[in-house]
Amino acid sequence: RKEVEQDPGPFNVPEGATVAFNCTYSNSASQSFFWYRQDCRKEPKLLMSVYSSGNEDGRFTAQLNRASQYISLLIRDSKLSDSATYLCVVNANDYKLSFGAGTTVTVRA
Amino acid sequence: EAGVAQSPRYKIIEKRQSVAFWCNPISGHATLYWYQQILGQGPKLLIQFQNNGVVDDSQLPKDRFSAERLKGVDSTLKIQPAKLEDSAVYLCASSQSGYGELFFGEGSRLTVL
Repeated sequence: RKEVEQDPGPFNVPEGATVAFNCTYSNSASQSFFWYRQDCRKEPKLLMSVYSSGNEDGRFTAQLNRASQYISLLIRDSKLSDSATYLCVVNANDYKLSFGAGTTVTVRA
Repeated sequence: EAGVAQSPRYKIIEKRQSVAFWCNPISGHATLYWYQQILGQGPKLLIQFQNNGVVDDSQLPKDRFSAERLKGVDSTLKIQPAKLEDSAVYLCASSQSGYGELFFGEGSRLTVL
């Protein structure tokens, strides 16, 4: 089983729509969780950290479900500029970060 | 603040040739990572340095890949001899410690023919 698994998508949504997707992780001892964004042919950049209580940053909401070992990302009021691949990153132990394969989101006009 | 610098941006070589990539992390960042990203996949960690010591190189194909971080600052990743399946983007990243945000360079895109 992979350490981090994501639905690859693509999620093709109209502008203004809400899109949500999950990421599952295998190591129940994982402590830190992140969402990175990667634009086509660009490097990944941190979108947001995921906290136990859930957190929001503008139109983006991240949730953590430890019991079921998944994190989620919800994007409200999608913009064309939200089109990207969203990488789930899990800190499996003190220093090792594991990346998922990414979920591709395409927002159409 | 200057970001993570990588060179070259693009490299095309034939199989069995060698190639080297260079990375200069953000000043003061103790942790440096080399990732391999194959098209359609997430980044895969090749090696992680803490200062000039290796923290994790469990996924580095040591028969052909080598990396060093002399003096705990910049780093080089070498592939010799290259195989077709090494075609990928090689991403260098740095962080202040092994726990915080990773800052990536623009990557070095390798094509092996």
